Amino acid sequence: NAGVTQTPKFQVLKTGQSMTLQCAQDMNHEYMSWYRQDPGMGLRLIHYSVGAGITDQGEVPNGYNVSRSTTEDFPLRLLSAAPSQTSVYFCATTDRDRENNEQFFGPGTRLTVL
Amino acid sequence: AQKITQTQPGMFVQEKEAVTLDCTYDTSDPSYGLFWYKQPSSGEMIFLIYQGSYDQQNATEGRYSLNFQKARKSANLVISASQLGDSAMYFCAMREGLGTGGFKTIFGAGTRLFVKA
Repeated sequence: NAGVTQTPKFQVLKTGQSMTLQCAQDMNHEYMSWYRQDPGMGLRLIHYSVGAGITDQGEVPNGYNVSRSTTEDFPLRLLSAAPSQTSVYFCATTDRDRENNEQFFGPGTRLTVL
Repeated sequence: AQKITQTQPGMFVQEKEAVTLDCTYDTSDPSYGLFWYKQPSSGEMIFLIYQGSYDQQNATEGRYSLNFQKARKSANLVISASQLGDSAMYFCAMREGLGTGGFKTIFGAGTRLFVKA
């Protein structure tokens, strides 16, 4: 099992470009989240989903879109990249019935917006 | 609204000694979970320990224990017998609404731990 995979690992964009960060999981988990990590600010929740077809906003949703058409995939779209979106992005998943509620994280995508 | 506060940006500890990393939280939900994750310099997020708001006893996982003081809304991580490999960033996190299938989880700003030989 691959667990949680994220692509690409690194990406450089110019201001105004759009792109999609991919997240896929093969653990059949219902819950998926996107976080961004910036120095000194920890992980901040962007969007999350409790199942296919259901998404909701987190703490910092502006400038990002998500969709959840399948259980496995939860892509994050940057509509018009800005330098403030330079960050490391993590996708995470968990199971509704997991006793310790542990989230499993992908390896992250390092995004630089010039 | 959910809030997690980690007031120690950096901590030093001597190898083999115990260290406590502080975490306070704020929530009005009676059903919530508290977590600690470790992030080494390689960048991956590693789950350490979990405490549910209704758990009567403090959680323990090997050298990690969570000092849960509900009335004070604190969930401090205690690492016993520190090892050089414990040098990393540590994040406290909280998830509300466990009883109703809530999933939104927020993280604190983190504490960087340095273990000295």
